Amino acid sequence: QSALTQPASVSGSPGQSITISCTGTSSDVGGYNYVSWYQQHPGKAPKLMIYDVSKRPSGVSNRFSGSKSGNTASLTISGLQAEDEADYYCCSYAGSSTWVFGGGTKLTVL
Amino acid sequence: QVQLQESGPGLVKPSQTLSLTCTVSGGSISSGSYYWSWIRQPAGKGLEWIGRIYTSGSTNYNPSLKSRVTISVDTSKNQFSLKLSSVTAADTAVYYCARSAVAGTGKFDYWGQGTLVTVSS
Repeated sequence: QSALTQPASVSGSPGQSITISCTGTSSDVGGYNYVSWYQQHPGKAPKLMIYDVSKRPSGVSNRFSGSKSGNTASLTISGLQAEDEADYYCCSYAGSSTWVFGGGTKLTVL
Repeated sequence: QVQLQESGPGLVKPSQTLSLTCTVSGGSISSGSYYWSWIRQPAGKGLEWIGRIYTSGSTNYNPSLKSRVTISVDTSKNQFSLKLSSVTAADTAVYYCARSAVAGTGKFDYWGQGTLVTVSS
């Protein structure tokens, strides 16, 4: 069970859109529609932003969206705002009642 | 509003056993609708799922940690606990407890604030 692969960092200017990828295998991301995304500000607990690939919890801005193609899931943030600057983690069901996270992506709002 | 709170020693000696407890408030751990997980994060690194427990006591563990991990539940106290044996410096991390649904969806929707455990002599 290896960690999902995410880019170490991405950046964008306010108002722009960015996409963070999360690559796994057919045993995790590609095999199930149980991919979720978490936002983590420094010193804080992770916050659920997207679940089941593309569903948004109540209270999360519709600027956040998720998708999946094959073994790669993606998180897109549109209309980038300064408050979006944080670390983002993907997570996938990995079979056999286990879960695997990505290594995390640091988003910088320029 | 469900709240989770981790508690336990912040310093553990190498080769000893790390023990943490997560207290759930605002909802019953016995509801049957959720799993209760432990997740950790070394400083500056990513998240790692450690394992989970159901109200019945049924557990699932990360294969890489399975030989050292025990998760238990105390429904009378609305708590679940983590024990990690034979710890080394590599086990130094912020440890989180979190809730996930039993079926039909995959999400960790409520998290504790996290507690830092340092392994050092």
